[in-house]
Amino acid sequence: DSGVTQTPKHLITATGQRVTLRCSPRSGDLSVYWYQQSLDQGLQFLIQYYNGEERAKGNILERFSAQQFPDLHSELNLSSLELGDSALYFCASSTRTDTQYFGPGTRLTVL
Amino acid sequence: AQSVTQPDIHITVSEGASLELRCNYSYGATPYLFWYVQSPGQGLQLLLKYFSGDTLVQGIKGFEAEFKRSQSSFNLRKPSVHWSDAAEYFCAVGAYNQGGKLIFGQGTELSVKP
Repeated sequence: DSGVTQTPKHLITATGQRVTLRCSPRSGDLSVYWYQQSLDQGLQFLIQYYNGEERAKGNILERFSAQQFPDLHSELNLSSLELGDSALYFCASSTRTDTQYFGPGTRLTVL
Repeated sequence: AQSVTQPDIHITVSEGASLELRCNYSYGATPYLFWYVQSPGQGLQLLLKYFSGDTLVQGIKGFEAEFKRSQSSFNLRKPSVHWSDAAEYFCAVGAYNQGGKLIFGQGTELSVKP
C-alpha cells in the first residue's frame, strides 16, 4: 500500500458525459501528479500540482482539468468524454519533486 | 527530446533463471531514474531509484539496477526469478527541470515459465 488513495476504482460512463476522479496523497506530500495509461499511448503525464498551485502540464486535453484543494487532495475532471478517453488514470504524490508513489488507479470506460 | 526506451516488449524466463531488463534514456542533465512494477489490474509499485552516488542500486524483492552514464542505460537485474515476478516493468526518468514529471518507457512484460 503506497498511501495514495484514489476513488472510484472503476467508472463506466457514456460519451459526452463528465466525470470527476479523486486522489488523496500520502500524508505530508505536497505534490500531486496525474498520469493516463492507455494501450496505444502508454503512461503519459497529464498535470502536476504543488501545494495547491499548478506546477507543470503535459499532454492534457483542454476537455480535462484538475485542481488541488487546501487539504491537498486533488481532483481530475474529464468532460465531453470520448471513446478514446477510456484508460487507467493514476495519481501519484511526492514530498517535493523526488520519488513518486502511485495510487491504485481509476479505470475509466467510456461507452 | 527526453525519452526512455525499453527495447524488449515481452520477455519469458524460466523460474530460477537470471533476469535483465534493458532501459535506455535520453536526458540532458543528470537523470533521476526509476523502475516500477505493475501487476495485472494493480497500480505502480516502486522497485528502486537512482538519484546520485553508487551506480549500483538495490531495491525491493531482490532487484538491483546499474546506472551507466556512458551507455545512457539503467538496466534492471535479478539473479533468480520467482513465478510471482511475472508482471509489467516500467523504467522512468524524472524530468526535474520540468516540475518533476516522470517520463516512462513503454514497459516490458515479464512471463515466468515453471
